[in-house]
Amino acid sequence: DAKTTQPPSMDCAEGRAANLPCNHSTISGNEYVYWYRQIHSQGPQYIIHGLKNNETNEMASLIITEDRKSSTLILPHATLRDTAVYYCITLSSASKIIFGSGTRLSIRP
Amino acid sequence: GAGVSQSPRYKVAKRGQDVALRCDPISGHVSLFWYQQALGQGPEFLTYFQNEAQLDKSGLPSDRFFAERPEGSVSTLKIQRTQQEDSAVYLCASSFRDRGAGANVLTFGAGSRLTVL
Repeated sequence: DAKTTQPPSMDCAEGRAANLPCNHSTISGNEYVYWYRQIHSQGPQYIIHGLKNNETNEMASLIITEDRKSSTLILPHATLRDTAVYYCITLSSASKIIFGSGTRLSIRP
Repeated sequence: GAGVSQSPRYKVAKRGQDVALRCDPISGHVSLFWYQQALGQGPEFLTYFQNEAQLDKSGLPSDRFFAERPEGSVSTLKIQRTQQEDSAVYLCASSFRDRGAGANVLTFGAGSRLTVL
């Protein structure tokens, strides 16, 4: 499965959009992009996934570049509850999820 | 229940003791995963079950670690002769599907925090 690169930390003002980047330049054609987050003292939580089209759900939007070598997770109106470590993962269907170091997102009041 | 339930939430063991950690996945979920998370690190894969079959145990760190899911629902992770380096949070996750993109949409439990003294 392809390796991803994420910034180790980011911060965002409360109420603003948080844009979390992820590079996956070696992604293969059958691999999806998944995003999970882990709030302190909780298990990871699924956010969203996509293959090549942009996706949106009640939690976030996922923008995947046309060449699929990078993506951005967008939290449209960040709140203090969005403070967490965000993991970007690429893998084909039914492969085991391998978590990297993720991006630690801090939301400023 | 509505989510993945793990017990105990906290366990303190003396070095050399055996421990058993339980996971109750969401009813009907086919796939079940165990992960180990050391302090400040991302979760690391331990093992995977599809129903009662253990299809991947490549992440188990040693033969002291053993997992089972005999009836395809509840799973137990057993650690024999615990050592200090086993101190970690052990996370269980389940998924409704065992194939396709949905197979990687996992619901995690809150974890069992093991401290070995």
